[in-house]
Amino acid sequence: GAGVSQSPSNKVTEKGKDVELRCDPISGHTALYWYRQSLGQGLEFLIYFQGNSAPDKSGLPSDRFSAERTGGSVSTLTIQRTQQEDSAVYLCASSLRGSAPYEQYFGPGTRLTVT
Amino acid sequence: ILNVEQSPQSLHVQEGDSTNFTCSFPSSNFYALHWYRWETAKSPEALFVMTLNGDEKKKGRISATLNTKEGYSYLYIKGSQPEDSATYLCAFPSGGSQGNLIFGKGTKLSVKP
Repeated sequence: GAGVSQSPSNKVTEKGKDVELRCDPISGHTALYWYRQSLGQGLEFLIYFQGNSAPDKSGLPSDRFSAERTGGSVSTLTIQRTQQEDSAVYLCASSLRGSAPYEQYFGPGTRLTVT
Repeated sequence: ILNVEQSPQSLHVQEGDSTNFTCSFPSSNFYALHWYRWETAKSPEALFVMTLNGDEKKKGRISATLNTKEGYSYLYIKGSQPEDSATYLCAFPSGGSQGNLIFGKGTKLSVKP
């Protein structure tokens, strides 16, 4: 079946511009996660959606970052006024449920470069 | 703050060698421990989700063990092949039974033919 998809695969933007990254999770998965990996760093949690509950935004690094999930499916991560330190690979994952033993299935990522 | 540690950071082995790496995690409030494999230019791929102390899981030449009381898991690769070259990540749920995973920085394995 179809896996997690993300678009665009690569994005180069100028400092100060806004960007939107999209994630299409696996159909039927109630939990959706955004992570990022900056150069030389491990995978860092950003935000987590579970069903219709309020998202866990505790990992968002600043108020320039926001995300929404429409209709319990597609999610968009928005970064406003991008900075060079936002350059990273942004990964989306989904899982059948949000509880610990469920595997998270990752998309291919969006590589964001802020110049 | 929960911390997941992996060692070694990187490993270079010859084809046919067997190898293993370690993941250390908090031993209290354990729910699950995840292992992922991340090849360059691909998505991280789930290898194992381990939930029981003493659990041992196997997938082909790769196996993993779990000790929840002392807070560690080992990943073993028997007879490494060049296609095993990847970064191996372990991850621990941040909020008990729910929510996102906290990832270690990974062990980068390079297998030379």
